[in-house]
Amino acid sequence: AQSVAQPEDQVNVAEGNPLTVKCTYSVSGNPYLFWYVQYPNRGLQFLLKYITGDNLVKGSYGFEAEFNKSQTSFHLKKPSALVSDSALYFCAVRDRNSGYALNFGKGTSLLVTP
Amino acid sequence: DAGVIQSPRHEVTEMGQEVTLRCKPISGHDYLFWYRQTMMRGLELLIYFNNNVPIDDSGMPEDRFSAKMPNASFSTLKIQPSEPRDSAVYFCASSLVLAEQFFGPGTRLTVL
Repeated sequence: AQSVAQPEDQVNVAEGNPLTVKCTYSVSGNPYLFWYVQYPNRGLQFLLKYITGDNLVKGSYGFEAEFNKSQTSFHLKKPSALVSDSALYFCAVRDRNSGYALNFGKGTSLLVTP
Repeated sequence: DAGVIQSPRHEVTEMGQEVTLRCKPISGHDYLFWYRQTMMRGLELLIYFNNNVPIDDSGMPEDRFSAKMPNASFSTLKIQPSEPRDSAVYFCASSLVLAEQFFGPGTRLTVL
């Protein structure tokens, strides 16, 4: 079975400060890992993914994520937050041995204050 | 490409009525997914197709839900009869094999 956990329901950060949104996963095989963002009344938008290779993955809008196999984590980071980054963020995992469906976390609401 | 297209964007219906949600995936994508999003349960996978064939429908809540993909450019999710607990936002997504999924804007369903 595969699962993904986002331990924080909400993350608050001041504009200009670094942000981290946490994600841990549990899969039986090697994982494919994804981050998506959802703005109000919109569909999910792809940010970045880890398939293989370099553990630090860079994505859209200045976001990046670090794959840590020993800690089974894939935290989303950004060096300097913008107010416009305020949204709902989803981590997702796919086990390479379990088909092509994604298992999404419950989401973390990011609020960036001016 | 216009992205994944879903219709209608909003649907309000009364309990017991049939509801049909529509999705047009991105051209060339061979996987199509239907999700449901609610505050209580988050984002749930209902069913997904590969090359128009249903692969996993274990997330479909019950027999009132059915999905079809008659061709590579069209899929429907039908609820018959609808119930108030079906109220949610329904998303369609498509992808190439092993790649990220692209989501449509969703259909907000309200069953009164």
